[in-house]
Amino acid sequence: NAGVTQTPKFQVLKTGQSMTLQCAQDMNHEYMSWYRQDPGMGLRLIHYSVGAGITDQGEVPNGYNVSRSTTEDFPLRLLLAAPSQTSVYFCASSYPGGEQFFGPGTRLTVL
Amino acid sequence: DQQVKQNSPSLSVQEGRISILNCDYTNSMFDYFLWYKKYPAEGPTFLISISSIKDKNEDGRFTVFLNKSAKHLSLHIVPSQPGDSAVYFCAELINQAGTALIFGKGTTLSVSS
Repeated sequence: NAGVTQTPKFQVLKTGQSMTLQCAQDMNHEYMSWYRQDPGMGLRLIHYSVGAGITDQGEVPNGYNVSRSTTEDFPLRLLLAAPSQTSVYFCASSYPGGEQFFGPGTRLTVL
Repeated sequence: DQQVKQNSPSLSVQEGRISILNCDYTNSMFDYFLWYKKYPAEGPTFLISISSIKDKNEDGRFTVFLNKSAKHLSLHIVPSQPGDSAVYFCAELINQAGTALIFGKGTTLSVSS
């Protein structure tokens, strides 16, 4: 049982490039979420999903796209990376009403 | 506008003593709060939660207290251990589905032996 896995662990992009942060969970959780954490800040919710085919925006959704085609995977896409998106990104999953389990994070730097 | 505030960025305690981490909130819709612990280079891990039907919840060395009239909650760790040194985040549930949390900025706890 790997829990929540995220790839890559580290990534450096140039402004304007695109990339996808991968997230997968093997706990059969219905709910999945993406957060970002900036220095001196708590985690802020980007997007979330309550099941395959259903996504919604969180607190800071601009500049990010998500889709949920399977229960297991919830990728986060940056279409035009900007330096303001330099952050640590965490994916989480949970059962309805249960506590969220977090992945180890992806550290992204946009130059 | 819901907010969760952790006003102490850091706390230092000696091993064996009590650690008290505080959190204030505004305009809670669901009165359900969680504490997460985070080590460097790892994701947060769930520690303990509390809902409005209780004013206290215990799990081993960890106890969370909720004071709804003061809109305040606190996490007590007794006795503190060096392995408890981490960043602690207070979080509030902000949607009924349970998918969305709003986090405080965190308090870095250092426990010295």
